[in-house]
Amino acid sequence: GNSVTQMEGPVTLSEEAFLTINCTYTATGYPSLFWYVQYPGEGLQLLLKATKADDKGSNKGFEATYRKETTSFHLEKGSVQVSDSAVYFCALSDVSGGSNYKLTFGKGTLLTVNP
Amino acid sequence: KAGVTQTPRYLIKTRGQQVTLSCSPISGHRSVSWYQQTPGQGLQFLFEYFSETQRNKGNFPGRFSGRQFSNSRSEMNVSTLELGDSALYLCASHGGRAADTQYFGPGTRLTVL
Repeated sequence: GNSVTQMEGPVTLSEEAFLTINCTYTATGYPSLFWYVQYPGEGLQLLLKATKADDKGSNKGFEATYRKETTSFHLEKGSVQVSDSAVYFCALSDVSGGSNYKLTFGKGTLLTVNP
Repeated sequence: KAGVTQTPRYLIKTRGQQVTLSCSPISGHRSVSWYQQTPGQGLQFLFEYFSETQRNKGNFPGRFSGRQFSNSRSEMNVSTLELGDSALYLCASHGGRAADTQYFGPGTRLTVL
């Protein structure tokens, strides 16, 4: 079956530091890949997505590239801000094989950015 | 466009009771999915509805059920509540096409005492 593995947290960084959160996946078929972010007390917000190999998703300074050869979708940001403190989830959606848009999530990575 | 709305936002119940949660998708979206989020198990898929039909179901007991109405609004029901059902229940709406993104509501926080 499908699965997503992302780096264990928590991750604590100083403002303006470089961020990488690793994500690898196992899937049958051709998944779309997503990063969602969850701020305290809120639901999930889509951060970025990529629907095919070599696509790069980007938003608010965050980037991730769909690497089929390494089955990875690592999240990066060049300079984090205190407001980026949240939990980040890597997810995949595989519509082949009849899974019909079900999202499979990683466990989440808590990021704390200190001023 | 208004986002996904869920009601109520918070709910406290006791063991053995039942509960119904409601979700209104983004206008024009015909697919609604439900997820359970707990600290131990993370985010787990419950079920998905499209045009009033359940298309996909996760690995949850039969106490968890749902339905979708003709206006795409969805409800999920949990009967005979257990302490372990305490969780954040998230609803997501989706346009129904393969490349579409799921947009999540703020969730309903259910506490079972």
